[in-house]
Amino acid sequence: DSGVTQTPKHLITATGQRVTLRCSPRSGDLSVYWYQQSLDQGLQFLIQYYNGEERAKGNILERFSAQQFPDLHSELNLSSLELGDSALYFCASSGGPEANTGELFFGEGSRLTVL
Amino acid sequence: AQKVTQAQTEISVVEKEDVTLDCVYETRDTTYYLFWYKQPPSGELVFLIRRNSFDEQNEISGRYSWNFQKSTSSFNFTITASQVVDSAVYFCALSEARGGADGLTFGKGTHLIIQP
Repeated sequence: DSGVTQTPKHLITATGQRVTLRCSPRSGDLSVYWYQQSLDQGLQFLIQYYNGEERAKGNILERFSAQQFPDLHSELNLSSLELGDSALYFCASSGGPEANTGELFFGEGSRLTVL
Repeated sequence: AQKVTQAQTEISVVEKEDVTLDCVYETRDTTYYLFWYKQPPSGELVFLIRRNSFDEQNEISGRYSWNFQKSTSSFNFTITASQVVDSAVYFCALSEARGGADGLTFGKGTHLIIQP
């Protein structure tokens, strides 16, 4: 158990809809990362937050947005969903950017299916 | 830009055979970290090992061993006496130590199948 909690574990929705994925980081971790894992693109970094502020952006679509709240949990919002957004979305956390060696602790993922 | 290449898409071996998973990386930084993660069929990502760029000592942990060679930019992973439970997708990853920005860059993964 990594200590990172993601909900929901599975989600099925239709094209054009909007969903929110939630992540609670390990206790004490200030950084939260979101990754997308799809069959064709592999594991892709989407975005990182550190203590409530956006820290780094990867290949995140404009239809997607994220935020980190004062209690450090994070939400990833996916809107105007397309079939290609079907993927496993991972949240990961780490202790902080200054001491960060890149070791991340991953949640179990949220599997999104867009029909 | 950093890049991780795992040329082996899928490897299938019979139980008890040794197997090596290859990982080649590219980075312009002199300080970086390399990782291996395991993703079993259940889907979660399990951390296996982290090495920093200044430590080229090979590491052994039980049946697992890692060979880090800066001269060839490789960080290969060997499983000795493989077992069916080792069946999973294995990812090599790279982090450039720039305050944690950008997270990890993953390879495409190697699907390891251990047949009984």
